[in-house]
Amino acid sequence: LAKTTQPISMDSYEGQEVNITCSHNNIATNDYITWYQQFPSQGPRFIIQGYKTKVTNEVASLFIPADRKSSTLSLPRVSLSDTAVYYCLVGASYNTDKLIFGTGTRLQVFP
Amino acid sequence: EAGVAQSPRYKIIEKRQSVAFWCNPISGHATLYWYQQILGQGPKLLIQFQNNGVVDDSQLPKDRFSAERLKGVDSTLKIQPAKLEDSAVYLCASSFTGAGNIQYFGAGTRLSVL
Repeated sequence: LAKTTQPISMDSYEGQEVNITCSHNNIATNDYITWYQQFPSQGPRFIIQGYKTKVTNEVASLFIPADRKSSTLSLPRVSLSDTAVYYCLVGASYNTDKLIFGTGTRLQVFP
Repeated sequence: EAGVAQSPRYKIIEKRQSVAFWCNPISGHATLYWYQQILGQGPKLLIQFQNNGVVDDSQLPKDRFSAERLKGVDSTLKIQPAKLEDSAVYLCASSFTGAGNIQYFGAGTRLSVL
């Protein structure tokens, strides 16, 4: 199983860049790396997904080194509304044994 | 595009009672998931459907939990009888087949068992 390890919590201030790193040493060849964001009283929301190198969308960037044993979610210029829990998920859709959410990283953004 | 719909949003029951949750996935999504999320923890997969067939229910407490997706669209999750430790948020998610881990979640049903 591709277990993930993330920091339990992080603090930041508005306007700063936030980088959350996820460790997944046992990632398999066909595994994707996906990040979700969850606000209180809501279901998780897909942020970004990657397989290798770098992926960027309108919300975030995902950096994946060549060995794929870790990944870093980068949130540029965070605002108060980015305060949420961020989950790193590693796995492939057909292998449900690997659809495991950890406890996530609780990001608190201060004014 | 409509998202994943769940109802009810909240439910309060006493232990040993039964309860049912309903989920309507995004149109065209063949895969449907039910998760249990206990306060302070990440979601835990209970069961995964591919169309109307069960792909994985290894973490579903089958002595009290059941789920069905008869026509390959809507799904219901039932608990009978409920225990105190079943208090949690029950999340439904759906995805296209072969879409990696891109799952779209509903807002969930918050269950309180007294």
